[in-house]
Amino acid sequence: AQSVTQLDSHVSVSEGTPVLLRCNYSSSYSPSLFWYVQHPNKGLQLLLKYTSAATLVKGINGFEAEFKKSETSFHLTKPSAHMSDAAEYFCVGENYGGSQGNLIFGKGTKLSVKP
Amino acid sequence: GAGVSQSPSNKVTEKGKDVELRCDPISGHTALYWYRQSLGQGLEFLIYFQGNSAPDKSGLPSDRFSAERTGGSVSTLTIQRTQQEDSAVYLCASRRFWEGNTGELFFGEGSRLTVL
Repeated sequence: AQSVTQLDSHVSVSEGTPVLLRCNYSSSYSPSLFWYVQHPNKGLQLLLKYTSAATLVKGINGFEAEFKKSETSFHLTKPSAHMSDAAEYFCVGENYGGSQGNLIFGKGTKLSVKP
Repeated sequence: GAGVSQSPSNKVTEKGKDVELRCDPISGHTALYWYRQSLGQGLEFLIYFQGNSAPDKSGLPSDRFSAERTGGSVSTLTIQRTQQEDSAVYLCASRRFWEGNTGELFFGEGSRLTVL
């Protein structure tokens, strides 16, 4: 991916409602894409990754993401938010042969979950 | 250890002092990354090491910043003559490459630097 755009800097949902975190990418080829989660004062942890196998990717903690080439999107979803999902989420693209160690990070989306 | 280890976890220093931050990657991971995360901000790429190749230093913000990786393992990020704007969390990550494939990125918990 040559660029990765997370469309929302902050998303707020109520506990038990669906979560949608949006990510768009630009690439001249089919990229590898990842979602990472960062809980407060922690490092980043891989949620899931897409590497040109199945377009619907299931990750940890009930999250999943669908690669849609026609829309150049890789949105992260979860059917029912839990309080423990409150964290920052980063969409990351593989930039084969590019700089920055071949990885392009989105700017992050902070997810708040209200009781 | 099983994961990426960073030290110190917290560092408070006075403006103008030099600091060293250490990263011990997962054994066998040839790729090592340093990122900076300022309060409420995303990740800012600093430097990337891959095997014996020359490091990609394109993200280092000034010549006060330098990094080395000894023996393809442990890396040290050095900030000379620290400034208050250097205050941030410095994250290290590593991953492995094999036969043209890349593995997931594993992150340490970061070193929080505060410059007074």
